Amino acid sequence: SYELTQPPSVSVSPGQTASITCSADKLGDDFVFWYQQKPGQSPVLVIYQDSRRPSGIPERFSGSNSGNTATLTISGTQVMDEADYYCQAWDTSTVLFGGGTKLTVL
Amino acid sequence: QVTLRESGPALVKVTQTLTLTCTFSGFSLSTSGMCVNWIRQPPGKALEWLARIDWDDEKYYNTSLKTRLTISKDTSKNQVVLTMINMDSVDTATYYCARFLRAYGSGTRYYYMDVWGKGTTVTVSS
Repeated sequence: SYELTQPPSVSVSPGQTASITCSADKLGDDFVFWYQQKPGQSPVLVIYQDSRRPSGIPERFSGSNSGNTATLTISGTQVMDEADYYCQAWDTSTVLFGGGTKLTVL
Repeated sequence: QVTLRESGPALVKVTQTLTLTCTFSGFSLSTSGMCVNWIRQPPGKALEWLARIDWDDEKYYNTSLKTRLTISKDTSKNQVVLTMINMDSVDTATYYCARFLRAYGSGTRYYYMDVWGKGTTVTVSS
C-alpha cells in the first residue's frame, strides 16, 4: 500500500475554482474517492470512482485521477463549501485516507 | 433509507477494553457486496480506517492496530461490534461506522463508503 498526500490547506475566493490534490505513486491505477467534512459533522461522499458524483452532490464538484495525482475541483466555489476534504483509496485489504485539506473560502 | 448509528461508552480508562456497536438499517449484512467499516478521527486530526467486515464474514484490519482489534457482526440484529483492547490516551477520538458498498467501474470491482453514522466520541483517561 502507499500514503496519500494532500496539501494541509487551500484558500479560494467565492465564485472561483478550488483544486485539491491527492498524490501517491501510481495513484492513477486505483480509484479515488473524496469526502467532505464540515465541523462537528460526519464525512459525506462527494466523488467516487475518481469522477462520479453521488446523487444530491452539486455539479460544481468534479474529480480526476491520472498518473500520480487525483484532483478534486470545485467550480464556482461557495461559502458553504468551506470544509475539510479527504481523499481515499482502497485495495482488497486496506482503506487509506489522505491527511485532509482544509478549504477556506474567503 | 440507509442509516448507521454508533454506540458505546463515552469514557474509558487506560488499559481497558473498548466495545463499540454499530446498529444499522436499510440494508442487510447478509446481502452479497455489503460491508461495514469502522473509522476513527482524533480531535483535530485526519480520518483513520480501523477495520472492515463483509457479508461473507471476511474481516480486514488496519495492520498497525491489528493485534488490538476485533470486528464481528450479528446479522439478525443488524449490528457490527468493534472491540479494541489495551486503550491508551492516543485512542481518544470520534469513532464512525460506515457502509461499504460494492460497485463496478471500468471492468473493476471496488467498494466505497456511501453512508456514515454520526459518530461517537470516546475519551480515554488515566
